[in-house]
Formats: sequence, C-alpha cells, structure tokens
Amino acid sequence: ILNVEQSPQSLHVQEGDSTNFTCSFPSSNFYALHWYRWETAKSPEALFVMTLNGDEKKKGRISATLNTKEGYSYLYIKGSQPEDSATYLCAFNYGGATNKLIFGTGTLLAVQP
Amino acid sequence: EAGVTQFPSHSVIEKGQTVTLRCDPISGHDNLYWYRRVMGKEIKFLLHFVKESKQDESGMPNNRFLAERTGGTYSTLKVQPAELEDSGVYFCASSQARNRIYFGPGTRLTVT
Repeated sequence: ILNVEQSPQSLHVQEGDSTNFTCSFPSSNFYALHWYRWETAKSPEALFVMTLNGDEKKKGRISATLNTKEGYSYLYIKGSQPEDSATYLCAFNYGGATNKLIFGTGTLLAVQP
Repeated sequence: EAGVTQFPSHSVIEKGQTVTLRCDPISGHDNLYWYRRVMGKEIKFLLHFVKESKQDESGMPNNRFLAERTGGTYSTLKVQPAELEDSGVYFCASSQARNRIYFGPGTRLTVT
C-alpha cells in the first residue's frame, strides 16, 4: 500500500512568521512529487513538481526541498501573510502508465494578521 | 487559456437519486482524471482517461459510478443510485505532459 503522510495536520501562525511542513512518501518507485495549494471552492494550484533527489525549488516566499532516498519533502513559507492561508497538499507519483497521484491529507495553514 | 471547468459547483441530492457531474478539460489535453475527497480524508484517484479510452479505473468505488468521455473532450461522472457515503468533493484534472496536472475547482456533492 502506497501511503503519503503530511504533518502537521494544521498550523496557526502569526503574520510574518516563517513556517514549514513535511511530506513523507515511499522511497521506492519514485517518479515525481507534487505540491499544491488549495483554497476551498477553488482549483488546487500547482506550486512545484519535483523529480530529482536534492531538488530545491522556489516561488516567491515559498520553497521546497526533496529527498527521494529517505522519502520526504519539506515546504517552507518565509514571512507568512494572511493570503497564504490555505491547505497545502503533497502528492506522490510513482510513474507507470496511469500517472495517478497519491495525495496526503494536507496541512491546513491559518495565518493571523 | 481557460482552466479545467466543472459543473455544477455544488449538488445536493437525496439518497437513491442520480447525479451527473461534468468536467471540461483544458483544450488539447488528452489525459483526464477524476479524483474524490471525502470529508477529512485525502484526495483519492478514481480513474484516468486517455482521449476517450479508460486507461485506469482502479479507483472507482463500485458499479454505481460510471464515467464517460465520448469524443475525447468533456467527461461525465454519473452516480446512480447515490448513497450517503458518496458525499464529498469530486475533482477533475487534465494534463498533456505527465508532470503538469491541472485541477478544476471541484463539485461538492452532498447526499442527504
């Protein structure tokens, strides 16, 4: 059974705080790791697709790292803003013909002004 | 470029009724996926179309769910008859390249 775990489940921070979340995934049969940002009633927005061990990606104040050998990825948000409040989802893709994503339950971030 | 669109955004039906959800993928995307998120749980894969063919339907919960993609454009997902446990958010996604998967806003289905 392929399992993706995310922690913490939820996080409340003050505006300006920096924060990070963890995504754990199987370390075998790795193809890609996706991070999405999701606000309820909107489309999950793709943040990063990471494919290589040691990958580091950055988009504004958000960055992510990848360790495929030990099966984890970190997402960092520097100087959180209220508009960063959302659920952050990671999804593991082990390749194969179907290209399906296996999601974690997400980390719900609430940033207080 | 328009994103993935889904209709309706929200549907409330009674147990035993039928509901049909529609997804319009991004134009030109051969791959179309359906996913579902049940309250408090992770988003789970239902099935994958390549053009009009079902590539993988291993995630479909049971035979009350029927997905179609006639002509390889839009897709429908029918639930008949609906049960209480079918409540959740149904997402559609599409892609052309393997690693660029775009999601729609979802249809929130409530079965009472």
